[in-house]
Parts: sequence; C-alpha cells; structure tokens
Amino acid sequence: DGGITQSPKYLFRKEGQNVTLSCEQNLNHDAMYWYRQDPGQGLRLIYYSQIVNDFQKGDIAEGYSVSREKKESFPLTVTSAQKNPTAFYLCASSIDHRTQNQPQHFGDGTRLSIL
Amino acid sequence: AQSVAQPEDQVNVAEGNPLTVKCTYSVSGNPYLFWYVQYPNRGLQFLLKYITGDNLVKGSYGFEAEFNKSQTSFHLKKPSALVSDSALYFCAVSEVTDKLIFGTGTRLQVFP
Repeated sequence: DGGITQSPKYLFRKEGQNVTLSCEQNLNHDAMYWYRQDPGQGLRLIYYSQIVNDFQKGDIAEGYSVSREKKESFPLTVTSAQKNPTAFYLCASSIDHRTQNQPQHFGDGTRLSIL
Repeated sequence: AQSVAQPEDQVNVAEGNPLTVKCTYSVSGNPYLFWYVQYPNRGLQFLLKYITGDNLVKGSYGFEAEFNKSQTSFHLKKPSALVSDSALYFCAVSEVTDKLIFGTGTRLQVFP
C-alpha cells in the first residue's frame, strides 16, 4: 500500500541535542511538508518542499532544518536552538505543488518530548 | 491573508442525531476548502474538499459539507452520528499556493 511512514513514533531529546525525524513516502508525490501540532493551536507549517533539492521555510522554521535529497524522503532535524520542541510532528505530501486542489496525505506522526 | 476559524472547541451530540461542525474562512480569491479528521495519536485523514461546482459536497464515512459563499462558511455535517465519529476535526483552506491553512480543530464527542 502507498503511504507516508514517519519514524520513530516516540522520540526523546536531551538538552543541547539535535534529533532527526524521518519521513518517507512511496506515493510518488512531488511536494512534502512538515507540521507541528500543539494542543489548541491546530497545525503550523515548519518547512515544505515542492521538488527535490529545494525547500522553503514555513511559518515557524526557527530551530528546525530539513533536506530533500531524494523525492521519497524529507527528514526534519530539531536543533538545540528550538527551545520548546515538545510537540506532535506530522509529515505530509501532495501530488504537485502547482495543483492546489489536491488533498495532502499525512503520516501518523512523531511525538517528541524533552528528557 | 488567508485564515480559517473553527468557533467551537468541542461539539457534543447523541448517537443517531445529526451533527454539524462549523468552519468559516477568509480569502481574497476563490477558496479551496478541505475537511480532515484525526484520531488519537494518528495523522490527519482527508474527508472531503470543495473546489467548485455544487455547494453540497459529499465525502467519506457519510460526511458532507455545505459551501456558503455569502457567509464564507464550510460547515461539516452528518445526518446520523456514530460513536466511532468521535475525533478531532480540522477545516483547512488553500488559495494561491499549495500551502494549507488549518483551523484550530473541533473535538467531536458522540455519546451512546
């Protein structure tokens, strides 16, 4: 079955540590996205990528970094500069960034907590 | 700027009764509107979308939504609620880019 796989499901970060969240899709989608979900705040866009080797900052990019070396993969690194990283992180993809009317498909998320 | 509002944090309904989850939006042009559902510790699942055409859109699991341009609303509805419909529901809007703007979510509780 085609879909989006996020790993790990749960992740713990120590002070001063960088951690990387994995997102892989086999839907052959061009566009990929990272969102942060906090209670009562909905989803906020961190980074997005419309094509391989290109990505743009979203609304809350500070303290995060991404790469898009392969179409299938869009890993997110939460750096030590992100002072409040505890949240539920969701990865999504869509067919083509030029087709605004297509829905995004979501993975099952990674829950990041501070030790 | 685009925005979406879900005025109710929680909606409670008895099983078998109709349900409505409200959403209003603000865009400068023509909106693309979406509803998603999220179950605990899971990602979002697409329910339905409005692009153009009929104002009543039918989606998955018996849900439908009514687009009202004059009221800038896109309310989610179901004629007969199930306990299994209990979840978090998000409305989202897209306009000139493929970026989605999400509402803050409405928790639906269906009681037996």
